[in-house]
Amino acid sequence: LQLQESGPGLVKPSETLSLTCTVSSGSISSSPYYWGWIRQPPGKGLEWIGNLYYSGSTYYNPSLKSRVTISVDTSKNQFSLKLSSVTAADTAVYYCARQQRDHFWFDPWGQGTLVTVSS
Amino acid sequence: QSALIQPASVSGSPGQSITISCTGTSSDVGGYNYVSWYQQHPDKAPKLMIFDVTRRPPGVSNRFSGSKSGNTASLTISGLQAEDEADYFCSSYSSSTTLGDVVFGGGTILTVL
Repeated sequence: LQLQESGPGLVKPSETLSLTCTVSSGSISSSPYYWGWIRQPPGKGLEWIGNLYYSGSTYYNPSLKSRVTISVDTSKNQFSLKLSSVTAADTAVYYCARQQRDHFWFDPWGQGTLVTVSS
Repeated sequence: QSALIQPASVSGSPGQSITISCTGTSSDVGGYNYVSWYQQHPDKAPKLMIFDVTRRPPGVSNRFSGSKSGNTASLTISGLQAEDEADYFCSSYSSSTTLGDVVFGGGTILTVL
């Protein structure tokens, strides 16, 4: 199973960050897994953004909930992240990962993509 | 400030053992056996090393082991090798309504002297 993030590396302040994670060599509809997004600001620790089940159920970090949308396209074996009203504080490496539903571990992870918020 | 507290750095010589701690609360580390550990080499994706506090995924060396006491989980690496030099992060399920389902530590840089 492999995951690969894609999307713009530069986003302007107040705009919406959009990333897609493509799952290969496996099905996004497999159970018992969630599909999640995690980010890592430069020089800092990891932060869980949220996840979803292939059926469409979503779970978000309360600190980001008002700005985050995670969605799935099972026909393309992809899931996506949208983060609205971004600021410089949202500059980070964004990872997608498969999350075990009942035990909350992440494996595998995508390679990560750096998104910089700047005008 | 990360929800789980880890030392910023640890070091050891080849062949030695080191332990990295991960301190949380009764709402995460102390309340559930859902602690996991990840290894991250520079500019690489994190790799799962330990899950469910003590379990190793297939392919991970048995030099890596996990444990937990109260609100503190630990990752021990025995027989240190140069290739173990990396960042290590802990993670736990959290029942906190303000932190979300999953919390991470700030990471620990392991240096093999």
